Amino acid sequence: GAGVSQTPSNKVTEKGKYVELRCDPISGHTALYWYRQSLGQGPEFLIYFQGTGAADDSGLPNDRFFAVRPEGSVSTLKIQRTERGDSAVYLCASSRGTPDGYTFGSGTRLTVV
Amino acid sequence: SQQGEEDPQALSIQEGENATMNCSYKTSINNLQWYRQNSGRGLVHLILIRSNEREKHSGRLRVTLDTSKKSSSLLITASRAADTASYFCATDAGGNNRLAFGKGNQVVVIP
Repeated sequence: GAGVSQTPSNKVTEKGKYVELRCDPISGHTALYWYRQSLGQGPEFLIYFQGTGAADDSGLPNDRFFAVRPEGSVSTLKIQRTERGDSAVYLCASSRGTPDGYTFGSGTRLTVV
Repeated sequence: SQQGEEDPQALSIQEGENATMNCSYKTSINNLQWYRQNSGRGLVHLILIRSNEREKHSGRLRVTLDTSKKSSSLLITASRAADTASYFCATDAGGNNRLAFGKGNQVVVIP
């Protein structure tokens, strides 16, 4: 597609539930990134995919968070047993893998109640 | 961890004035980028400056980079109400083309 698409745009879930957030990157972009942004803060790195593999998952806060990119295109960020502290905007970005700028999606605003 | 640190955090100016914001970082970088964010959602890439460049222009934007001081500035000239947004600097110090963002500058341009 023309841009990075993230769905849903908003998600409200109850504490303890499981959620999946989807990212559809720009066609042909091999690198895909997930970031999390809390109110008043800059985005914080979660995980980076180069192709199908997670090249760097050092930003995932704990084992409740997991992400996949099985065919090297669409990626899903999965959060188990959600906690109120997981509430944030989850941003996905893709790039050609060069030092050029990323293209970000509009994000998914997750609210855990 | 957050690499960039923007200063000042919030800026309110009249339309037509220039807006300047600064960013400092701690480790060596290959490039530094500036992004704009409206309404807390997706970020838009504005400009990238490489470590061997000192100044770069794009339209009404001017970015400088001083690697000896580990700092960068973003200047928006002749500001418009549509420039109202948060502006973030980001460095590639994390490796893997991974970006480390600062906390951002909120800029409000009053018509």
